[in-house]
Amino acid sequence: ETGVTQTPRHLVMGMTNKKSLKCEQHLGHNAMYWYKQSAKKPLELMFVYSLEERVENNSVPSRFSPECPNSSHLFLHLHTLQPEDSALYLCASSQDNPYTGGSSYNEQFFGPGTRLTVL
Amino acid sequence: GNSVTQMEGPVTLSEEAFLTINCTYTATGYPSLFWYVQYPGEGLQLLLKATKADDKGSNKGFEATYRKETTSFHLEKGSVQVSDSAVYFCALSALGAFGNEKLTFGTGTRLTIIP
Repeated sequence: ETGVTQTPRHLVMGMTNKKSLKCEQHLGHNAMYWYKQSAKKPLELMFVYSLEERVENNSVPSRFSPECPNSSHLFLHLHTLQPEDSALYLCASSQDNPYTGGSSYNEQFFGPGTRLTVL
Repeated sequence: GNSVTQMEGPVTLSEEAFLTINCTYTATGYPSLFWYVQYPGEGLQLLLKATKADDKGSNKGFEATYRKETTSFHLEKGSVQVSDSAVYFCALSALGAFGNEKLTFGTGTRLTIIP
């Protein structure tokens, strides 16, 4: 048990559907992340929230829309996805201290992921 | 930009064999280096890390040494067990645009240990 939970664990959706992925961390962290894991490709960082503000958005298509209502919850809203969006979506959290200028690495704790299949 | 290259798998070994998974990196400045492990059906877990040149990270019998001269961070274990079967990711950390730490991962290497 890593303290980061994700629901659902598996999701199959059509290209016209709208669905949401949910992540919850029970570790008291202040930063949360969405990653995309595709076969034979490096883990891709999608979004970063630090102190509930989005601080990173790696040119992700607008059909993916993140939401961070508080420091413990992170959502990824999906609409009109493409088959190539099928992947494992991983959430992570860490205790971020932006005032140190990143002088020390804070370990990221990952959830088990949501396996998404777009038909 | 930053990048991590690790040996492609899958790697299949017999129990008690010696393991090496190669990892090299490209980065500006002085990144920290990590190995993460992903067991079946689970998220990634930090296995070990090294924060400066010549540091050796170690955990659960695994070791990796931060070699700045060869920009490498190879993962080794002297005697693998069936329970080590997993996907292993090499990664480096660097500062993002807002001063937050940002991880760059390799593609992962799937390791299977047979009894």
